[in-house]
Amino acid sequence: ILNVEQSPQSLHVQEGDSTNFTCSFPSSNFYALHWYRWETAKSPEALFVMTLNGDEKKKGRISATLNTKEGYSYLYIKGSQPEDSATYLCASSETGNQFYFGTGTSLTVIP
Amino acid sequence: ETGVTQTPRHLVMGMTNKKSLKCEQHLGHNAMYWYKQSAKKPLELMFVYSLEERVENNSVPSRFSPECPNSSHLFLHLHTLQPEDSALYLCASSKGLRFENIQYFGAGTRLSVL
Repeated sequence: ILNVEQSPQSLHVQEGDSTNFTCSFPSSNFYALHWYRWETAKSPEALFVMTLNGDEKKKGRISATLNTKEGYSYLYIKGSQPEDSATYLCASSETGNQFYFGTGTSLTVIP
Repeated sequence: ETGVTQTPRHLVMGMTNKKSLKCEQHLGHNAMYWYKQSAKKPLELMFVYSLEERVENNSVPSRFSPECPNSSHLFLHLHTLQPEDSALYLCASSKGLRFENIQYFGAGTRLSVL
């Protein structure tokens, strides 16, 4: 079992603030990492798939970085809006076949 | 809309009942997945199908029985469940089996076992 950890567990920010959270995974072997956004009562929605050390990906106000040597990925949200409120999940794989999810970071953006 | 539809959205069943969860994808994907989400726990992968063949079964109790009759449909047959099986069950699909492929999720079935 791969130990994928996300921090913080939950986060409250004011509208307009920028924020970031972390996904940690064992750095010994790395295949790929996914970030998902999961709004309450909806389907998890893929944000990014990251495979290369040093990858930076961006989608609107959301961006992510990957450091496979030290075993972490950061997700950044610039100028948070209430509609960004969701749980952000990451999942990591060492082999491409087995993959494991973290418990998520729950973000609440206060208007 | 993700292109992955799960029914029913909510299900309440007794421990002696038999019920089935259904998942349908309209994306032309070759791989389909069942996940279990229990409170305060990570998403747990239960079963993986690729081109209608089961390729992964992560030590799931036999009271959960998957079926993949074609690449667009996936079922999870439930019988003699326990209260601890109450959870959100998510279905997902992807173009291919390898983890570089994005997974598209359904909205889930919230199951309560009484």
